[in-house]
Amino acid sequence: DVQMTQSPSSLSASVGDRVTITCQASQDIRNYLNWYQVKPGKAPKLLIFGASNLETGVPSRFRGSGSGTHFTFTISTLQPEDFAFYYCQQYEDLPLTFGPGTKVDL
Amino acid sequence: QVQLQESGPGLVKPSETLSLTCTVSGGSISTYYWSWIRQPPGKRLEWLGYIFHSGSVKYNPSVKSRVTITVDKSNNRVSLRLNSVTAADTAVYYCARGQSGWLDSWGQGTLVSVSS
Repeated sequence: DVQMTQSPSSLSASVGDRVTITCQASQDIRNYLNWYQVKPGKAPKLLIFGASNLETGVPSRFRGSGSGTHFTFTISTLQPEDFAFYYCQQYEDLPLTFGPGTKVDL
Repeated sequence: QVQLQESGPGLVKPSETLSLTCTVSGGSISTYYWSWIRQPPGKRLEWLGYIFHSGSVKYNPSVKSRVTITVDKSNNRVSLRLNSVTAADTAVYYCARGQSGWLDSWGQGTLVSVSS
């Protein structure tokens, strides 16, 4: 299986801050990397697919970059509704695997 | 806009079978593939498997011997069965629509506890 790691595991931030999360794969996954937002009791939301493509309807303050084994997810200006968990997920190989998640809180 | 809703028992006894249904509304079950994912308390998301509208399936080796995913196109439903459950199967279970490797629509999840 492709092992995914993320850092940090949690971070505290304020509205208006710039937030950066990194995701690393145990092998080359090209650009086959997605980012999701998860809030308790709500449906998870796809934000970025293919490492850098913004899902339709997702605000442009969310950005993804990277390829190979190292990826970055950035929220340029944190909004109140962005406090949540964020997960990366690879799809270069089955089984699909997720990172351990990053909690973004106030 | 497609919506997904998971349903099923919230409590299952050890060694029994967990059965969940995902009802898809606002869109066709055809063309896409449909995944089940779970998240045990305090752990990361785990993909369990997916099924194409044609019925072709892929499972995670971690549960392959215990899991069955089926599709009912006439009723726009996708089902999950996981047998011989233990406490380690306690989790929030999600269904999700997939295309080309990403999961673009998810249900809000249902908590299933395994306990006697």
